This record gives sequence, structure tokens and C-alpha cells, in this order.
Amino acid sequence: QVQLQESGPGLVKPSETLSLTCTVSGGSIRSYYWSWIRQPPGKGLEWIGYIYYTGSTNYSPSLKSRVSVSIDTSRTRFSLKLTSVTAADTAMYYCARSNAALGDYDYWGQGTLVTVSS
Amino acid sequence: SFELTQAPSVSVSPGQTASITCSGDKLGDTFVSWYQRKPGQSPVMVIHQDSRRPSGIPGRFSGSNSGKTATLTISGTQAMDEADYYCQAWDSSTVVFGGGTKLTVL
Repeated sequence: QVQLQESGPGLVKPSETLSLTCTVSGGSIRSYYWSWIRQPPGKGLEWIGYIYYTGSTNYSPSLKSRVSVSIDTSRTRFSLKLTSVTAADTAMYYCARSNAALGDYDYWGQGTLVTVSS
Repeated sequence: SFELTQAPSVSVSPGQTASITCSGDKLGDTFVSWYQRKPGQSPVMVIHQDSRRPSGIPGRFSGSNSGKTATLTISGTQAMDEADYYCQAWDSSTVVFGGGTKLTVL
């Protein structure tokens, strides 16, 4: 059974960089797309971006200038960095797997709440 | 930019059919997926590629997509189906989610 687990600080100061890691177990990291999706409190889901196992990436236009996603296939994990965070970046952050580049998320992590506050 | 619109809430009586819609320009030209999210849990994909049901999803869940509207239908709705439902599609290499619909079973 494929499992995804997010990890990282739950509190980040404004203007600093948010860093999260998603560890994949129970399945291969190859031949899939690995995404980050977030949900601010009381709001809907927002796609952040994805990385393919080969390392190619695609990001949300609204976050593109601040986002980077990397992958470590040997350790079966991938990571998110979001720079210059503000309170608007406070959200539950999920990692997810898909067969397709643009959707069909069949496995999700449990999510990790990141609060941006001084 | 491409936007998906969902009604904030839908109510249904147990055993009845619930229909949750998602609208967007040229939606019928893309594939739509639907996700169920219960409080404190991660989203679960209940429909993908407009109408395909993943393994383990009950047969009462079905989907359609045509023109500017995609529809998630839950036949014989059960109390356990009470949740938020999100549609998802893509445009110009960008993934877009709808704002979500809260389904209340009462």
C-alpha cells in the first residue's frame, strides 16, 4: 500500500522560506507525478505544482516566482520550498501522487499544517 | 484565467440522489476529477477522467462532463457521504480546483 508522509516545521516566520518533505513508501517513485497541494483555513484546495520522477517540474503561475520542488529518487522523497512567505501562505499542505501530469491524485499524504507567524 | 465554480452547499435526504455540479468555460474539453474530503481526513478521489470510478469507490458515485458543466451524482446517498466535494480540471498546463461543495445529508 502506497503511503505518503509530509514532514517539516509547523511554524514559519514571515519573509522566511517554508520547506517541506514528502516521503513515499510502499511503492516506486518512478513513472509518477508528485505534487504539492494546499488548503488555507476555510478555503478550497490550491495546486502548487508537481515534479515528475525524471525531475521535470510545473508550477502554479500564481506561485511560480516563489516555488521550487525537487526530488530524491534514491531516498524516495520529494520536497517543496516556498520563499518569502506571508500569512496568506498559512495552510494545510498535502503531497499527492498522480499518473497524469494534471490531475487524478490517487494517493495523498495526511497533510501538515504550516502557520506563518512571527 | 480558468475558474471552476461550485455551489457552496447541497442538501439531500438519506436514500435520495445528490447532484453536485462544477461549471467552467470549455470544461467539456478537459477531463474532470472529483475528490471527497471529510473533516480531519485527506481528500479521496471518487471520480476521475469524467466518469471513471477508482477501485474501492462505491458504485453509487458516478460522474459526467459535457459542455460547460461536470456533475457528480451520488445515488442512494448515505450519511457517510456527508463531506466536502471538490472538482478538478486543468487548462494551459495548470491544475485548477473548484471552490468545493459541502454536502449535507439530513
